[in-house]
Amino acid sequence: DVKVTQSSRYLVKRTGEKVFLECVQDMDHENMFWYRQDPGLGLRLIYFSYDVKMKEKGDIPEGYSVSREKKERFSLILESASTNQTSMYLCASSLSPGVETQYFGPGTRLLVL
Amino acid sequence: GDSVTQMEGPVTLSEEAFLTINCTYTATGYPSLFWYVQYPGEGLQLLLKATKADDKGSNKGFEATYRKETTSFHLEKGSVQVSDSAVYFCALNRDDKIIFGKGTRLHILP
Repeated sequence: DVKVTQSSRYLVKRTGEKVFLECVQDMDHENMFWYRQDPGLGLRLIYFSYDVKMKEKGDIPEGYSVSREKKERFSLILESASTNQTSMYLCASSLSPGVETQYFGPGTRLLVL
Repeated sequence: GDSVTQMEGPVTLSEEAFLTINCTYTATGYPSLFWYVQYPGEGLQLLLKATKADDKGSNKGFEATYRKETTSFHLEKGSVQVSDSAVYFCALNRDDKIIFGKGTRLHILP
């Protein structure tokens, strides 16, 4: 079974802090994704990556950056956390581009005070 | 651009009732279509998918048929259980990404 793990289930940070969310997948998947999930808005794509050291902006990249130094690990960085970044963050991976299932981690619920 | 519209929730049903969650899409070309499910406290997982017109995806008693003529992919189940309580997302793929609907929360009462 594919396993996608996220470093924290719950996180509380203060405005202005730099926040790192880590995601690791164990199935040698090429593609990894970061989404945020908000009530009434569904899932919105923040960033994605097709390969190591590659990254592409999604629909809402502002205020975020990412890092993919190893194939299995994809990190989401909030450079200076703000209260409007309070959300559920979901990481996903898939084997290859195209018609492929995405496998999701359990999510990190981030509260920015 | 491409988009997915699904019925707003929450949907509340009694156990053993028939379920339909409507989903329509707007897309150029012929995307693949998906239903994902999110159980409480978990990430999303694929429930079923269909890759071309008239295909039927099925899993765990759920079914959905890819209808090109009506651009729809409605989710159905003949007899729901309490354990089906979750949030259901309709989605399509476009340019190696997946576009999700906003989700429909389903509550099943015992």
